[in-house]
Amino acid sequence: KAGVTQTPRYLIKTRGQQVTLSCSPISGHRSVSWYQQTPGQGLQFLFEYFSETQRNKGNFPGRFSGRQFSNSRSEMNVSTLELGDSALYLCASSFSLLSGLQETQYFGPGTRLLVL
Amino acid sequence: DAKTTQPTSMDCAEGRAANLPCNHSTISGNEYVYWYRQIHSQGPQYIIHGLKNNETNEMASLIITEDRKSSTLILPHATLRDTAVYYCIVRLPYNNNDMRFGAGTRLTVKP
Repeated sequence: KAGVTQTPRYLIKTRGQQVTLSCSPISGHRSVSWYQQTPGQGLQFLFEYFSETQRNKGNFPGRFSGRQFSNSRSEMNVSTLELGDSALYLCASSFSLLSGLQETQYFGPGTRLLVL
Repeated sequence: DAKTTQPTSMDCAEGRAANLPCNHSTISGNEYVYWYRQIHSQGPQYIIHGLKNNETNEMASLIITEDRKSSTLILPHATLRDTAVYYCIVRLPYNNNDMRFGAGTRLTVKP
């Protein structure tokens, strides 16, 4: 079974631009979560999508948004990029039920974003 | 979710067993113990998880103390490719999918 895939793997943008990152979950997984990882803050939860609906949200500004498609693939968007948005963005998928039961999360390789 | 405490770093000789400890003294009865590892600049890789019984898979063994306040991840025959940061996490299996990674243990396997 193929793992979680993320595209692109590397990205360079300038301040003020916007960026869209893509994630394809493991087949059969309906929950997709996004995380930001930086050396200073560690791994921080952005949001989780389940069945095309945002189910959980972390403490990030509205510039960070996401969506999920009917095939469970997900995208996240960051608008008006700031230097501090430079980070490794990770996507994780898991088998989950509507009740909220979560099984093990499997992470993708990440997208490394550099904002200049 | 309960907090965990891990040593900052550990060394292990190649071919020997690596034993990584984790303290989670405030774990609640229905929280699971999960272990992930992260090799430099890659996404975290799931290793193993358990509730109260010891668990073993093709990658590692997980030993959880009877009071569940601590656990040990065992890599039976460490290789150079096992050099990574290892994270111990305790979490509920439902509702909030917020994985809280601490600083982890940086394991260095030496030849």
